[in-house]
Amino acid sequence: DAEITQSPRHKITETGRQVTLACHQTWNHNNMFWYRQDLGHGLRLIHYSYGVQDTNKGEVSDGYSVSRSNTEDLPLTLESAASSQTSVYFCATAGTSGEQYFGPGTRLTVT
Amino acid sequence: AQRVTQPEKLLSVFKGAPVELKCNYSYSGSPELFWYVQYSRQRLQLLLRHISRESIKGFTADLNKGETSFHLKKPFAQEEDSAMYYCAPPRGGSQGNLIFGKGTKLSVKP
Repeated sequence: DAEITQSPRHKITETGRQVTLACHQTWNHNNMFWYRQDLGHGLRLIHYSYGVQDTNKGEVSDGYSVSRSNTEDLPLTLESAASSQTSVYFCATAGTSGEQYFGPGTRLTVT
Repeated sequence: AQRVTQPEKLLSVFKGAPVELKCNYSYSGSPELFWYVQYSRQRLQLLLRHISRESIKGFTADLNKGETSFHLKKPFAQEEDSAMYYCAPPRGGSQGNLIFGKGTKLSVKP
């Protein structure tokens, strides 16, 4: 069965460190998305990609970057982690049906 | 810019009571809207999409283009319905780029 996975599931890091969160999908979908989920804010879009070598900024992209070198993976990098980036991060994919499929999430704590 | 509003942060009902979770959106054209559900500490999962007009777990949602609303309803709430519910109209751009509301937490009490 097709799936979307994220790793690590939990991460604790220090302020100023670079952190990369992995997202891997076997749906063969072109569209991939990264969100952060915070109490009171719901899901906010960080970055998204419509295909290999394509990346776009979302609503809250400052301090984050992504790269898309193949269809399956869209890693999210925090260049210099800040306490304000403590959150739960979800990766999602979407195919031609228009609906999104979500990964299990990564809980990131920046101390 | 596209917007979606879920006016209730928290909705608390007793088991067996009817439930209506409100969603209003702004979108030009013919939108395809979705409702997602997130049970405690789990991933978001699709609950229903308006184009299929299905009833999933007893939930239904009707698209009202005049009022730009897509409210989620269930006639008799169950305790296992307690979860976060997100309304998601299209953001624009490629298919599948959705904008999510801030969510409504549904609490069903015994």
